Amino acid sequence: NAGVMQNPRHLVRRRGQEARLRCSPMKGHSHVYWYRQLPEEGLKFMVYLQKENIIDESGMPKERFSAEFPKEGPSILRIQQVVRGDSAAYFCASSPPRLAGDGGTDTQYFGPGTRLTVL
Amino acid sequence: AQTVTQSQPEMSVQEAETVTLSCTYDTSESNYYLFWYKQPPSRQMILVIRQEAYKQQNATENRFSVNFQKAAKSFSLKISDSQLGDTAMYFCAFGRYQLTFGKGTKLSVIP
Repeated sequence: NAGVMQNPRHLVRRRGQEARLRCSPMKGHSHVYWYRQLPEEGLKFMVYLQKENIIDESGMPKERFSAEFPKEGPSILRIQQVVRGDSAAYFCASSPPRLAGDGGTDTQYFGPGTRLTVL
Repeated sequence: AQTVTQSQPEMSVQEAETVTLSCTYDTSESNYYLFWYKQPPSRQMILVIRQEAYKQQNATENRFSVNFQKAAKSFSLKISDSQLGDTAMYFCAFGRYQLTFGKGTKLSVIP
């Protein structure tokens, strides 16, 4: 069973360009999460998605950042007009569908991350 | 606000010895999960162990065990029989679906 896949692993962009980060969840997982890790820091939650729905985007910057998880295909984190401060490692995680009435969470399994460098 | 504090930025341990990494957190929630993740030099985030907050019994996974004190909001990780492959950053995290992470403890296992 393949794990969470992210591509590209490394992405270099110049200021003002767009960055597209892709995440394919583990087979059978329908929940996707995006986190950002700045140097010497822990991960910071950005957004939580299910198929075709954004459940919680409270950690997303209000401008330039967007995320989607379409019915078919990988989840995409899109950063428009990148700035140097966007340089970071972006991690995607996935978890399986929750049981009815389960208000908790299941374990999040992480991908290898995409390291974005903005020149 | 939910916070996680890992008070030991760096630690070292001799191979085959035991080491404990500390973690405290703050939340007003009553139902949540706690995790320890390991990040080796490859930077992959690897789940080490998980604990449900409603369970009093401490979780154990082979050489890894936790000491969960809910009232004190403390969740420490004990690594027994340390191995060279345990060298990594260790992150404590908690939450339901939105995980809050600490800043990590860099553990070095010395031969």
